[in-house]
Amino acid sequence: DGGITQSPKYLFRKEGQNVTLSCEQNLNHDAMYWYRQDPGQGLRLIYYSQIVNDFQKGDIAEGYSVSREKKESFPLTVTSAQKNPTAFYLCASSMGPSNQPQHFGDGTRLSIL
Amino acid sequence: DQQVKQNSPSLSVQEGRISILNCDYTNSMFDYFLWYKKYPAEGPTFLISISSIKDKNEDGRFTVFLNKSAKHLSLHIVPSQPGDSAVYFCAASAMSRDDKIIFGKGTRLHILP
Repeated sequence: DGGITQSPKYLFRKEGQNVTLSCEQNLNHDAMYWYRQDPGQGLRLIYYSQIVNDFQKGDIAEGYSVSREKKESFPLTVTSAQKNPTAFYLCASSMGPSNQPQHFGDGTRLSIL
Repeated sequence: DQQVKQNSPSLSVQEGRISILNCDYTNSMFDYFLWYKKYPAEGPTFLISISSIKDKNEDGRFTVFLNKSAKHLSLHIVPSQPGDSAVYFCAASAMSRDDKIIFGKGTRLHILP
């Protein structure tokens, strides 16, 4: 059963700590994305990757980092430099070209203790 | 500067009637448009899309209309059902540019019994 798995569903972080959100897909998609959703806001793009070992900043990349060492995996690290990290984070993938619909995971809600 | 605008944060429709969700865009390079549906604490799911070479695309109860001259698209759901209560995101992309899809802020649809 193909899909995108995000873990954990809920995550708590102490101030000053880095935390990594996991995203795995078995859809054999080339492109992967990370979005952030805040209340009353749309989906804002953090980082995206079109191919293994390559990624680009989105609209709100500051305070975040990513890696794409494997096609199936695109972890997102929320660093201590991210001043307002509390949000709902969504990972997505697509076959590649921008005309393909993106498939989303069920998200990770990050909260600061 | 919002390139994709959903000006109605919420909409209430009687069960069985037609739901019409609207979306406006400003970037004339956009040539592919999508609608996503999102339930709370879940990732968005792809609903329907339309290319700029068409002005209508239909899939069951869902129809998307595109008016390129007005830079406007709409999603019609008929008849509306209780399970349609969700947040609907309009999204757009330019195939000739890169993989970034731009999302609107969403419209929350309430189907009333």
